[in-house]
Amino acid sequence: ETGVTQTPRHLVMGMTNKKSLKCEQHLGHNAMYWYKQSAKKPLELMFVYSLEERVENNSVPSRFSPECPNSSHLFLHLHTLQPEDSALYLCASSQRRREAYNEQFFGPGTRLTVL
Amino acid sequence: QQPVQSPQAVILREGEDAVINCSSSKALYSVHWYRQKHGEAPVFLMILLKGGEQKGHEKISASFNEKKQQSSLYLTASQLSYSGTYFCGTEGPDSWGKLQFGAGTQVVVTP
Repeated sequence: ETGVTQTPRHLVMGMTNKKSLKCEQHLGHNAMYWYKQSAKKPLELMFVYSLEERVENNSVPSRFSPECPNSSHLFLHLHTLQPEDSALYLCASSQRRREAYNEQFFGPGTRLTVL
Repeated sequence: QQPVQSPQAVILREGEDAVINCSSSKALYSVHWYRQKHGEAPVFLMILLKGGEQKGHEKISASFNEKKQQSSLYLTASQLSYSGTYFCGTEGPDSWGKLQFGAGTQVVVTP
């Protein structure tokens, strides 16, 4: 399999559930990202993992918890979500370097609905 | 702070041209352009670096005015496949790999 894959593609969960989103990249990149895409809003960067360094967007609530066991896999653990967290969650990867091309390649996303 | 894109939407007939603009109030290292079709992942189109280097698809052209911190994407002789939402993402000089995206420009190309 090539590129960036995400599972599941669709997820419906209640506010008290705990679930995880999975992302895998097959591009040999050294950085992975989680984005949130809500209707009529710009793509919002949530987390960056690069060479085992985690960079957070300070506005992301603690009910979202990322995990990056290695450079190819990225998880987003979800617990006690709110209905406003319903969105498309996109994973991306890149070869992150200083002063170089850092184009990102996106997965197909997980459409999350919180009831 | 997120970049500002204009226009918000554009409708074209096949073969027509259009320009999409992206501007930032902060100094930039690079500007990225992506296209997203409904229900699909954003697809990388082009990246323009401070200093004039660029990399991307042969059929896509874009410019980056470093003094104004503005970039423009040129859709020339549009095809039906150009329909989608175009996003610019900006990368600051100390924010390697961390992109801030604009709100997007919806492009519809009609026969």
